[in-house]
Amino acid sequence: IVMTQTPLSLSVTPGQPASISCKSSQSLLHTNTKTYLYWYLQRPGQPPHLLIYEVSNRSSGVPDRFSGSGSGTDFTLKISRVEAEDVGTFYCMQALEFPYSFGQGTKLGIK
Amino acid sequence: QVQVIQSGAEVEKPGASVKVSCRASGYTFSADYRQWDYYIHWIRQAPGQGLEYMGWINPKNGDTKYTQNFQGRVTMTRDTSTSTAYMDLGRLTSDDTAVYYCARMGHVSGTYSQIWGQGMLLTVSS
Repeated sequence: IVMTQTPLSLSVTPGQPASISCKSSQSLLHTNTKTYLYWYLQRPGQPPHLLIYEVSNRSSGVPDRFSGSGSGTDFTLKISRVEAEDVGTFYCMQALEFPYSFGQGTKLGIK
Repeated sequence: QVQVIQSGAEVEKPGASVKVSCRASGYTFSADYRQWDYYIHWIRQAPGQGLEYMGWINPKNGDTKYTQNFQGRVTMTRDTSTSTAYMDLGRLTSDDTAVYYCARMGHVSGTYSQIWGQGMLLTVSS
């Protein structure tokens, strides 16, 4: 499954919203009704950190300014108010089929 | 503290092999029920590049599944007595220079979570 993210980079003023799109080459909906789409933030020099699992569920400790939405093949990560600590690269990942696969990454910078 | 702890950076020559370890701490390494929640996954990241999925191992029974790109060159094993998973990569080339991560992805005590190791930098150079 090919995962395609847009944009590949964006620069946002602190306090402003941001949105990242992730499209999969086939539906990520399982017969068990779950959709296996995940979002990560990788800060420089650190491992990826899970933000969102199964499209829209925030991982423990993730601020509520991060939200995920979408279905089928089209997904979006939204940050309601960007903060300086959000600098890094965001990745989506599908875990419906083996091998798991990641988007190319979206690099977020601060204006 | 729930974590997976990886071995330190290594430098290897082209054609050599490397064995990366990933020790689970603070949680049960394997389980009889919902074994997939305890799989150890391996992912790598070349310098300045994105994430590449390599495969998984089931700590309960040692079953493995490898991405086709690594078939024949990678071997994943585990030692339940030390709660440690290993990833052995052979016939190294400079293209294998990357940070290698292990991660557990699944539900534990009813809550979904992921635990990633700190990463292990492998440099392949003559």
